[in-house]
Amino acid sequence: GQSLEQPSEVTAVEGAIVQINCTYQTSGFYGLSWYQQHDGGAPTFLSYNALDGLEETGRFSSFLSRSDSYGYLLLQELQMKDSASYFCAVRDDQGGKLIFGQGTELSVKP
Amino acid sequence: DAMVIQNPRYQVTQFGKPVTLSCSQTLNHNVMYWYQQKSSQAPKLLFHYYDKDFNNEADTPDNFQSRRPNTSFCFLDIRSPGLGDAAMYLCATSSSRDGAEQYFGPGTRLTVT
Repeated sequence: GQSLEQPSEVTAVEGAIVQINCTYQTSGFYGLSWYQQHDGGAPTFLSYNALDGLEETGRFSSFLSRSDSYGYLLLQELQMKDSASYFCAVRDDQGGKLIFGQGTELSVKP
Repeated sequence: DAMVIQNPRYQVTQFGKPVTLSCSQTLNHNVMYWYQQKSSQAPKLLFHYYDKDFNNEADTPDNFQSRRPNTSFCFLDIRSPGLGDAAMYLCATSSSRDGAEQYFGPGTRLTVT
């Protein structure tokens, strides 16, 4: 079967660094995406890793290790507005489908 | 601004009464998706189109159908909504067939009474 695992909740303070892990077990693997979703809002794309290594976009970075079936999203200099749910999603075939994890709810405290 | 638009934002329907949700996009993307998302859960893919090529997920109930009359518009029809169909319905688009980067609309929250 297909499964993605990520922590259900993470809490951190403003200004801190937080890492949200994602492990996956899928029949195929072509890449790992990350999406942010604020309460009541739509998911917004953050990053995509098809190859091993670290991708950096401003305060957010995403890492992938294909051999370990593992990736993470790193958020630096946390701000209150970063409080949201974060989903990892695997592209498991050559088509345009993503399989989403259950999401990690990040709470940023003052 | 180029965007994905969903109408209505909130829809209330009665048990068993057909309902249609609509999505339009000004991004001119080839790929369009319909997802169902229930509270505190992951988005669940219902259908997707590459141009007019229609792809139905194996576990999408027969009660759900979709139409894409042209590049810009896509519709989700729920023929006989049940209480379990109450959810947020999200439309998304992608410029590339791999779908790694998807642009989501604001969603339609469906309530079934």
